[in-house]
Amino acid sequence: EAGVTQFPSHSVIEKGQTVTLRCDPISGHDNLYWYRRVMGKEIKFLLHFVKESKQDESGMPNNRFLAERTGGTYSTLKVQPAELEDSGVYFCASSQDRPGTGYYNEQFFGPGTRLTVL
Amino acid sequence: AQKVTQAQTEISVVEKEDVTLDCVYETRDTTYYLFWYKQPPSGELVFLIRRNSFDEQNEISGRYSWNFQKSTSSFNFTITASQVVDSAVYFCALIQYQGGKLIFGQGTELSVKP
Repeated sequence: EAGVTQFPSHSVIEKGQTVTLRCDPISGHDNLYWYRRVMGKEIKFLLHFVKESKQDESGMPNNRFLAERTGGTYSTLKVQPAELEDSGVYFCASSQDRPGTGYYNEQFFGPGTRLTVL
Repeated sequence: AQKVTQAQTEISVVEKEDVTLDCVYETRDTTYYLFWYKQPPSGELVFLIRRNSFDEQNEISGRYSWNFQKSTSSFNFTITASQVVDSAVYFCALIQYQGGKLIFGQGTELSVKP
């Protein structure tokens, strides 16, 4: 079974440009999460999809970030326009939780996309 | 407020030493889940263990063991007879009852030297 995949693995862009990150979750996983780790700090939650719906987007830093999950399959995270403080590693994770039941399985993480904004 | 604290930023040990990574958490929920993840140099996060708040039994898996104590809000992780391959950043994390998001600690970078 394929794991969570992310593309690209690295991206270097200039301030003001646009970047789109892609995540393909494990097949059959309804839950998809985006996280970010800024250099040296903790990994922070960005948002959570259940199928194609945004369940929780409380961690999105501002309206320069736009996440979508087409048809409940893969997801994209677009940053437009990118700022210096957006640099970091963006992780995607998926799981087969049962929201609302209080039962949570482990989240399986992708390898991350390292974004550098110059 | 919910929070996870890993006070040890970096730990360095010599191979075969035992090492304990500390994790302290805060939550108002009575039902929650605790996790440990490993991030080796390759970068991906690897799941190690999940523990729910009603299960305070300690767990052992090979050289790894976990000590969950609700009285002190701690979920510590011990590696016995450490090996160079254990070198990685280790993250402790919490999921609250109504949430699906992981709340991570700052991570502890473990370096095991030969």
